[in-house]
Amino acid sequence: AQSVTQLDSQVPVFEEAPVELRCNYSSSVSVYLFWYVQYPNQGLQLLLKYLSGSTLVKGINGFEAEFNKSQTSFHLRKPSVHISDTAEYFCAVRFVSSASKIIFGSGTRLSIRP
Amino acid sequence: GAVVSQHPSRVICKSGTSVKIECRSLDFQATTMFWYRQFPKQSLMLMATSNEGSKATYEQGVEKDKFLINHASLTLSTLTVTSAHPEDSSFYICSAGQPDSGEKGEQFFGPGTRLTVL
Repeated sequence: AQSVTQLDSQVPVFEEAPVELRCNYSSSVSVYLFWYVQYPNQGLQLLLKYLSGSTLVKGINGFEAEFNKSQTSFHLRKPSVHISDTAEYFCAVRFVSSASKIIFGSGTRLSIRP
Repeated sequence: GAVVSQHPSRVICKSGTSVKIECRSLDFQATTMFWYRQFPKQSLMLMATSNEGSKATYEQGVEKDKFLINHASLTLSTLTVTSAHPEDSSFYICSAGQPDSGEKGEQFFGPGTRLTVL
């Protein structure tokens, strides 16, 4: 069965420190991968996506992620976080063979300490 | 990028009433729209997939008679929560996309609707 796992429900970090949010997926078919950010009481904003090509993907707000097919991972990273990065982050997959159906991970709450 | 709107952004209703939530794709035609529900501090759970001009496909465990979905045009899908109860209180998010299963089949998300049933 296809699934998306975000291992950390909460990640506290100090401002200007680096951060990595982990995401692993399980699938028997090819996938597209996404990271979304959700600020309180708002919808989802796409941070970045991997569709094909280079496995290192750069997104908005200084975030990047690397697709690792052998480890079935798509971890999100930022070298230096800001207070404004405090939000919920969701990893998601869409199966290449499906009509755009997306499966979301459980989310990781990133909290930035001054 | 493409813009998807939802109306209303917040709604409070009494138990037993029905509530309609609209999802519109503002600058593109969306043959497929998706409805998600998000409980506090939880992830988005897909409720149903609606295709313009045909019946919606509901995920397992979602009551189709309680959550009525209509996708009558290429830019509008509606979700009606019938006979709402407090346990239906949640954040409802829609997304709109194109049926292409390739790289162009991206989904665009609306800002969400906060439903509170008293």
